[in-house]
Amino acid sequence: QVQLQESGPGLVKPSQTLSLTCTVSGGSISSGSYYWSWIRQPAGKGLEWIGRIYTSGSTNYNPSLKSRVTISVDTSKNQFSLKLSSVTAADTAVYYCARLAVALWYFDLWGRGTLVTVSS
Amino acid sequence: DIQMTQSPSTLSASVGDRVTITCRASQSISSWLAWYQQKPGKAPKLLIYKASSLESGVPSRFSGSGSGTEFTLTISSLQPDDFATYYCQQYNSYSLTFGGGTKVEIK
Repeated sequence: QVQLQESGPGLVKPSQTLSLTCTVSGGSISSGSYYWSWIRQPAGKGLEWIGRIYTSGSTNYNPSLKSRVTISVDTSKNQFSLKLSSVTAADTAVYYCARLAVALWYFDLWGRGTLVTVSS
Repeated sequence: DIQMTQSPSTLSASVGDRVTITCRASQSISSWLAWYQQKPGKAPKLLIYKASSLESGVPSRFSGSGSGTEFTLTISSLQPDDFATYYCQQYNSYSLTFGGGTKVEIK
């Protein structure tokens, strides 16, 4: 079955860029039926959608993060990635990658999440 | 941006209780609403999509209703495995937002 796995540094310094990758296994990221998304959750708080990408490279971002976010896709590696620039302590969170069903707009598959801490 | 307001934020209930959680949107989202269950240290799990469609494998005691701006998630008979936090999520005009969550606790 299809699985998602986040990877990347668990500690990032303030003002630097957070970079994470999500690897899709057991299926193709090029399936036309899904977008690929990033979502985050600060400790003890709710979920925040960061953005999504289609296999074509088309993206949409949360307006509140848009100026700092870049999501990209590498179909040859079956991966998509997140870059969040100019991070502060407020960006400390568990970051999830997730699969978003096209035209039905729900997340049906999630990675296990990875904790990223912003600290000097 | 569309805001999603969930109520209550915390709910205390007993096994066997009927539980209802409400999610209100700041503007109409038609039926583009999903519900998720999250347990500590785990990723959210999809329960309901398109307001009232039950995800495959989810017990039938879970149900969803509503359209426009007001939606509900109902658990007909609360089971021990259902103590968790529940989130609603909307889609509208290329953007998605989650509600603040409802924690269902043991009474």
